[in-house]
Amino acid sequence: DAKTTQPNSMESNEEEPVHLPCNHSTISGTDYIHWYRQLPSQGPEYVIHGLTSNVNNRMASLAIAEDRKSSTLILHRATLRDAAVYYCILRRPGRSQGNLIFGKGTKLSVKP
Amino acid sequence: NAGVTQTPKFQVLKTGQSMTLQCAQDMNHNSMYWYRQDPGMGLRLIYYSASEGTTDKGEVPNGYNVSRLNKREFSLRLESAAPSQTSVYFCASSLRGTAQPQHFGDGTRLSIL
Repeated sequence: DAKTTQPNSMESNEEEPVHLPCNHSTISGTDYIHWYRQLPSQGPEYVIHGLTSNVNNRMASLAIAEDRKSSTLILHRATLRDAAVYYCILRRPGRSQGNLIFGKGTKLSVKP
Repeated sequence: NAGVTQTPKFQVLKTGQSMTLQCAQDMNHNSMYWYRQDPGMGLRLIYYSASEGTTDKGEVPNGYNVSRLNKREFSLRLESAAPSQTSVYFCASSLRGTAQPQHFGDGTRLSIL
């Protein structure tokens, strides 16, 4: 599986937008870009995923670079509840195991 | 919306004891997974079940067994618990297909003394 690189930590102020970057320079053409987050003492939570085009849902937006070597998860207005570890994960259709391969992620702190 | 339900939430065992962690999902998902998460580390796959009636080993299967009881339920058994199995265990489920999002339970925190 292709590797992703994320900053170890980021800080944001409440009600401000947050842009969480992810580099994946060895991404293949069929790899989907998935984002999960893990709040303290909870299981990971699916946030969003995309292939080539930018994606929006009720939780966040995903901006994918034209060359697909990087992507950015955008939280439009951070709340205290958004403080979590955010994981950027590449997923390739057809892999036999189907498991998610978690890196260290980005720990997001949100200040009131 | 229950989603993925894991029981128990907490458990303390003595070395050598056995126990079964239960997982059930109500989303009609085909695939189910068991992961473990150790402090400061990402999740690692123990076993998975791509569909009802099939199970396969993941990255760290030693010391564990699984049963896909039906489409809803996927249990993880520790036959003879060891301190190295102290961890937080997460169950997840998804529709068939490796690009499908996975939905996780809240975890079982297991301590083995």
